[in-house]
Amino acid sequence: AQKVTQAQTEISVVEKEDVTLDCVYETRDTTYYLFWYKQPPSGELVFLIRRNSFDEQNEISGRYSWNFQKSTSSFNFTITASQVVDSAVYFCALSEGYNAGNMLTFGGGTRLMVKP
Amino acid sequence: DTGVSQNPRHKITKRGQNVTFRCDPISEHNRLYWYRQTLGQGPEFLTYFQNEAQLEKSRLLSDRFSAERPKGSFSTLEIQRTEQGDSAMYLCASIPPGTVSATQYFGPGTRLLVL
Repeated sequence: AQKVTQAQTEISVVEKEDVTLDCVYETRDTTYYLFWYKQPPSGELVFLIRRNSFDEQNEISGRYSWNFQKSTSSFNFTITASQVVDSAVYFCALSEGYNAGNMLTFGGGTRLMVKP
Repeated sequence: DTGVSQNPRHKITKRGQNVTFRCDPISEHNRLYWYRQTLGQGPEFLTYFQNEAQLEKSRLLSDRFSAERPKGSFSTLEIQRTEQGDSAMYLCASIPPGTVSATQYFGPGTRLLVL
């Protein structure tokens, strides 16, 4: 069975601080996909990034970066120089891919509060 | 290309009433997913369709829940004899055909409150 754990339920930082959101996953499949979504107060889930299990390259997109480590089954998300607009709940999710139905298993989420 | 849309956005009902939600996926997306999100939790998978066929249902989907996608376009999720425990956000997502690692794009959700 798949499982995603986000141990940090809530993080509070001051604007311009860097912050890392942790994600640990469990799966028995060798092919899988990892995602991060952002859920602002409006409620809509906004897609941020997808990684597949064969690509361990880290990725950077502006102030966002992701660190994927298969050895520790982790897919952590770092926001550099946080801004108030980054305040939201962030979800890490796992899928076994299209042929397995592509259903997402989500972690419990991390609520990030960025204070001015 | 418009995104996934869901209606209504909010629904308040009394316990025991039936409610129906609608999801319109992104055009030409053949797979459509329903999730439920309770307060303070991550979304949980309920069911999904490929075209008009319902291919999988979670054990969370009790007999009071039924979902349809009659023409392979929009989908409806009906809850009969609602209970207070059904209060949640119901999310819909869709993906295009044929992409192995397809990303699910979500609608804005329908927030249900059962009094």
